[in-house]
Amino acid sequence: GQNIDQPTEMTATEGAIVQINCTYQTSGFNGLFWYQQHAGEAPTFLSYNVLDGLEEKGRFSSFLSRSKGYSYLLLKELQMKDSASYLCAVYYYKLSFGAGTTVTVRA
Amino acid sequence: EAQVTQNPRYLITVTGKKLTVTCSQNMNHEYMSWYRQDPGLGLRQIYYSMNVEVTDKGDVPEGYKVSRKEKRNFPLILESPSPNQTSLYFCASSFRGAGELFFGEGSRLTVL
Repeated sequence: GQNIDQPTEMTATEGAIVQINCTYQTSGFNGLFWYQQHAGEAPTFLSYNVLDGLEEKGRFSSFLSRSKGYSYLLLKELQMKDSASYLCAVYYYKLSFGAGTTVTVRA
Repeated sequence: EAQVTQNPRYLITVTGKKLTVTCSQNMNHEYMSWYRQDPGLGLRQIYYSMNVEVTDKGDVPEGYKVSRKEKRNFPLILESPSPNQTSLYFCASSFRGAGELFFGEGSRLTVL
């Protein structure tokens, strides 16, 4: 089975940095995805990690440690438009999602 | 434009009245999947299809049926809807299942 945990909610100030942690216990592992979902909209792809280490894409970075079953998504220079839910998902023959972390960015 | 299209986007129905939610993708993707999203539970997979005529159960298949007769279409069928199937439904596709998922805009279903 798959067990994927991430915090329910986080709040941060515009311009700040927020780190969203994700821990997983799964029967197998082929990669970890992060998706962003604005309220009332479909999830959209943010990042994909298959090897240990940091992947950077503009203001967003994602880190993976396979031995620890741990990943984080780092959002830098927060903007109001970053207010959304962030979904951690583990791929092992299919994609299993965590419940999501709702990030609220305050002015 | 590459997209996944779901219809209807919103539907209110009554218990027991059969309904179908259509899903179509124009990216020639082999893999398609249906999810439901409920508060606090995240996205849960209902059914998926690796290719035409190949479908399999996800985590919560009870009360649902699917078919994949053409590569582009993957309808979700609720033969006898019940109130616990009130949810937000997403169809998604990817090239082979291992890659980035592209989601439809979602279908909000209410069963009274």
